[in-house]
Amino acid sequence: GAVVSQHPSWVICKSGTSVKIECRSLDFQATTMFWYRQFPKQSLMLMATSNEGSKATYEQGVEKDKFLINHASLTLSTLTVTSAHPEDSSFYICSARIAGETYEQYFGPGTRLTVT
Amino acid sequence: LAKTTQPISMDSYEGQEVNITCSHNNIATNDYITWYQQFPSQGPRFIIQGYKTKVTNEVASLFIPADRKSSTLSLPRVSLSDTAVYYCLVGDTFGGKLIFGQGTELSVKP
Repeated sequence: GAVVSQHPSWVICKSGTSVKIECRSLDFQATTMFWYRQFPKQSLMLMATSNEGSKATYEQGVEKDKFLINHASLTLSTLTVTSAHPEDSSFYICSARIAGETYEQYFGPGTRLTVT
Repeated sequence: LAKTTQPISMDSYEGQEVNITCSHNNIATNDYITWYQQFPSQGPRFIIQGYKTKVTNEVASLFIPADRKSSTLSLPRVSLSDTAVYYCLVGDTFGGKLIFGQGTELSVKP
C-alpha cells in the first residue's frame, strides 16, 4: 500500500516551453503533498507544500510564478515548470502524506527533467 | 525544524553491520526521528522511525539515547544492494515538512 506515482518519469523539453509533472497517490488520499528538487550528487530540496483545495506554500527562494502547483483532488498534485530554462534541469520528486495520519511521507519515483 | 548532521560517506563490506549516527542537538519535544534510503534516480524510501529508546523492524534498528540529541541507524549484515544514500530527518508529528540534510553515502564492497 501507500504508493505514489509520477508522470512522466522523464521529459525533455526546449528552453522557453512549459512542462507539467503529475504526482498521484494510488491507494490512499493525500491532503498534503510535497514537491522536491534534487540536483546531481545533492540532497533533496523542498520546493513547496501542496494542500488539497488551497494554494501551495512555497519555500524561500522558490519562484511561485515559475513553478505552478495545483492540488485539485485528494489524489493528484501537479507541478508545472513554466518557461523552462536549462538551469531548471533536475530530478523532481513528490511525496504525499496519508490524510489524517502522522509523520510518514511516501515518495514518488521522481521525474527527470532535461531542458535543452 | 531541527538540523541534522551525518557523516558524508561510509564504506563497509558485505556481511558487516553498519551503524550511521546522526546528530540533532536542537531536537524538539514533539519531534520524531526518521530515516530514509535513496538509490540513484529514485525517490527516497522510508526505513524506520522512532521517538526514543530502540525501534526495530525487518530491515534496520534505530537507537535513540535518553537525551535524543543523536540517533543511530543500524543495518545488520549489509549487502551490495544496501549501497545508497541514507538520510536522517527530524520533525514534529503533524508538522509535515521534511527537510533533508546532506545524507550519508554508504558504499558496500564485496
